[in-house]
Amino acid sequence: EIVMTQSPATLSVSPGERATLSCRASQSVSSDLAWYQQKPGQAPRLLVYGASTRATGIPARFSGSGSGTEFTLTISSLQSEDFAVYYCHQYNNWPPWTFGQGTKVEIK
Amino acid sequence: QVQLVESGGGVVQPGGSLRLSCAASGFTFSSYGMHWVRQAPGKGLEWVSFIRYDGSNKYYADSVKGRFTISRDDSKNTLYLEMNSLRAEDTAVYYCAKVNTYDTSGVYYLGWFDPWGQGTLVTVSS
Repeated sequence: EIVMTQSPATLSVSPGERATLSCRASQSVSSDLAWYQQKPGQAPRLLVYGASTRATGIPARFSGSGSGTEFTLTISSLQSEDFAVYYCHQYNNWPPWTFGQGTKVEIK
Repeated sequence: QVQLVESGGGVVQPGGSLRLSCAASGFTFSSYGMHWVRQAPGKGLEWVSFIRYDGSNKYYADSVKGRFTISRDDSKNTLYLEMNSLRAEDTAVYYCAKVNTYDTSGVYYLGWFDPWGQGTLVTVSS
């Protein structure tokens, strides 16, 4: 099973600042990595797939990078609607499909 | 647009059973594999089960293997999750999600989950 580890657990950021979220896989997942955003009481929403391709309708301030075992999600200038929990997810080696434990982005 | 709507959640006693449904619309349901993912209160996402587009293969997390059964009825555009021998640790919001495929050099692979339904809450408690 591939273990996905996200850091930090919580990120405190001021609106307008840049946020950098990390995700590490226990073995290579190539570029088979997605990022999801989840707000309280809502279902996860796809942000990025293929490690760096933004999903339809996702603003350009969200960008993904990395390959192999190290990945990053960057939010260039945080807006109020971006405060949420973010999960990485690998779909390279399955079953099981695995998720990171999440990074909560909160208002500083 | 593509839409997934779960139903069937509720309160059940330990050892009990429940069947969840996921009604799909806005896409050719019979052409896509489907997942169930759950989220315990205040916790992260845990993959539960997957069924291929034609039902030929089914996969389960070790935590539910032998107790849960995934199935689909393409005539009704509906995905199911039959849950038996429920335990307190099965308490969670259960989401269904559509798998997206991608191709590399003519070979198709299973990819990311999108979209997700709104979820249905299952509570296992006496």
